[in-house]
Amino acid sequence: DIQMTQSPSSLSASVGDRVTITCRASQSISSYLNWYQQKPGKAPKLLIYAASSLQSGVPSRFSGSGSGTDFTLTISSLQPEDFATYYCQQSYSTLPITFGQGTRLEIK
Amino acid sequence: QVQLVQSGAEVKKPGASVKVSCKVSGYTLTELSMHWVRQAPGKGLEWMGGFDPEDGETIYAQKFQGRVTMTEDTSTDTAYMELSSLRSEDTAVYYCAPFDSSGYYFDYWGQGTLVTVSS
Repeated sequence: DIQMTQSPSSLSASVGDRVTITCRASQSISSYLNWYQQKPGKAPKLLIYAASSLQSGVPSRFSGSGSGTDFTLTISSLQPEDFATYYCQQSYSTLPITFGQGTRLEIK
Repeated sequence: QVQLVQSGAEVKKPGASVKVSCKVSGYTLTELSMHWVRQAPGKGLEWMGGFDPEDGETIYAQKFQGRVTMTEDTSTDTAYMELSSLRSEDTAVYYCAPFDSSGYYFDYWGQGTLVTVSS
């Protein structure tokens, strides 16, 4: 199985801050990396697919980069609605599809 | 636009089975590759399995092999996930989510179904 490791596990930041979350795969996954945002009691929402493509309707302050084993999700200027948990997910291997453990973004 | 409506919360005893449904609208089920993901309370997302259009079969995470069955009723555009031999560790929210076979991501999700396993 391809293991996905996110860092940090939790992060405190303020409105307006620039935030970066990292996801590392246990083997190369090319660009088969997606990012999701999840708010309490809600289903995950796709933000970024194929490592760097912004899903339709997602604000441009979200961006993704990376390939191979190392990936980042960046929020350029945090907004109040961005405080949530973020997950990376690899789809290079679909047996199994694996997610990172999540990064909880909290208000400082 | 795909819409997914899942069945309501369930409470089951250890050893029982649960069957969660996911009603599709906006598309037909045959146009989608439905997968299931679960999330235990306070924990992360865990993929359980789903339909692989490349070989036309349903694939399951090894962890759930022998305990999970995913089926579809194309006449009603409803997908089902049945999990048997329930234990307390199966207490979780279960989501259906179509896997986009061109982009390799989950862009639509059901609202989730809470399954509680308790004696």
